[in-house]
Amino acid sequence: AQSVTQLDSQVPVFEEAPVELRCNYSSSVSVYLFWYVQYPNQGLQLLLKYLSGSTLVKGINGFEAEFNKSQTSFHLRKPSVHISDTAEYFCAVSEYGGSQGNLIFGKGTKLSVKP
Amino acid sequence: DVKVTQSSRYLVKRTGEKVFLECVQDMDHENMFWYRQDPGLGLRLIYFSYDVKMKEKGDIPEGYSVSREKKERFSLILESASTNQTSMYLCASSLLVPGGGYEQYFGPGTRLTVT
Repeated sequence: AQSVTQLDSQVPVFEEAPVELRCNYSSSVSVYLFWYVQYPNQGLQLLLKYLSGSTLVKGINGFEAEFNKSQTSFHLRKPSVHISDTAEYFCAVSEYGGSQGNLIFGKGTKLSVKP
Repeated sequence: DVKVTQSSRYLVKRTGEKVFLECVQDMDHENMFWYRQDPGLGLRLIYFSYDVKMKEKGDIPEGYSVSREKKERFSLILESASTNQTSMYLCASSLLVPGGGYEQYFGPGTRLTVT
């Protein structure tokens, strides 16, 4: 069975500092990987996705993530964060050929950007 | 732009009431999903549907049912609401994207309080 582990439940960081949000997954088959962001009192919005090809994926708002198959990781990074990046971030995985694209989500990481 | 709408942003109901949460998507997506979101638990799948009148149980279907009479509409029903169903409910629909995999689009969520 698939599972997703987000290693940090909360990450405080100062404005303009770099940040990395960690995500590890387990699966017996190949997977697609996603990062979603949830701003306060809103639904989830897709930040970026890895389907195939280049392991470095760029998304919206200056975020990027790197797929590492040997370490089964898909960590999210941003070189310089803004106050507006304060949100909760969810890593998700679905299997190749899985049923209708069901996603398994991690428990989320709350990013808090301080001035 | 894909739009997924949910009938209410906030809802307060009494224990034992029958509750309907409505979700509508305007992109002709085949698949639709209902999740509940609780602090520290991430998103958990309640039910999903891959076609009109078709439904599949997710990870936590107990106490819930669903209805999909039209492609664009997916309803979540709490037959007899209980206090442990107080939560944020998120609806999503998904689209098969080039390169494989499905991309899920989320509604803004309904925060349900059962008293």
